Amino acid sequence: GAVVSQHPSWVICKSGTSVKIECRSLDFQATTMFWYRQFPKQSLMLMATSNEGSKATYEQGVEKDKFLINHASLTLSTLTVTSAHPEDSSFYICSARDTLLNEQFFGPGTRLTVL
Amino acid sequence: AQRVTQPEKLLSVFKGAPVELKCNYSYSGSPELFWYVQYSRQRLQLLLRHISRESIKGFTADLNKGETSFHLKKPFAQEEDSAMYYCALKAGGGNKLTFGTGTQLKVEL
Repeated sequence: GAVVSQHPSWVICKSGTSVKIECRSLDFQATTMFWYRQFPKQSLMLMATSNEGSKATYEQGVEKDKFLINHASLTLSTLTVTSAHPEDSSFYICSARDTLLNEQFFGPGTRLTVL
Repeated sequence: AQRVTQPEKLLSVFKGAPVELKCNYSYSGSPELFWYVQYSRQRLQLLLRHISRESIKGFTADLNKGETSFHLKKPFAQEEDSAMYYCALKAGGGNKLTFGTGTQLKVEL
């Protein structure tokens, strides 16, 4: 079945530093990937749609200069949280769309803690 | 803009009892509705979608356009059904999913 991985699974960083999170589709190519943010006991909020070879599309209220997204290949999208602050602490989840199956497959998530 | 509402944060039922997880949506066009499930310490995974009209793990869901609902049902709950369930909507022609706030289902023995 289609598998999506995320790395790292958790990260702790100091305030002001940048953190990169990778999302990989392991056995299929994904022209479109999505990045979500999930607060404790709350729903997934879509942050942006990552398109291979082009700029990401950000949802309203999401700072594109703070959350940099790069989708340089058909199997990899990265989310970089720049100049992280404690309020950026959250669970970040990616998904990749399998075009053939017309279905999104989700990664296991990355827990970011900013001190 | 589309919206998905799941009114119950927590639903607790006994094993063997019927289950109904409520989902209502707001969208002016023709939506595609999904139910996703997240078992403890596992990733989110698709349970079923309305266009498939299939039963997965004993669960069914019917899209009611008149009531703008897509409730998830199972006649006899099993312990392994305990999980977090999310209803999601995809606007017609798009790929983005809008999620509800989720319902934690707890099946007690």
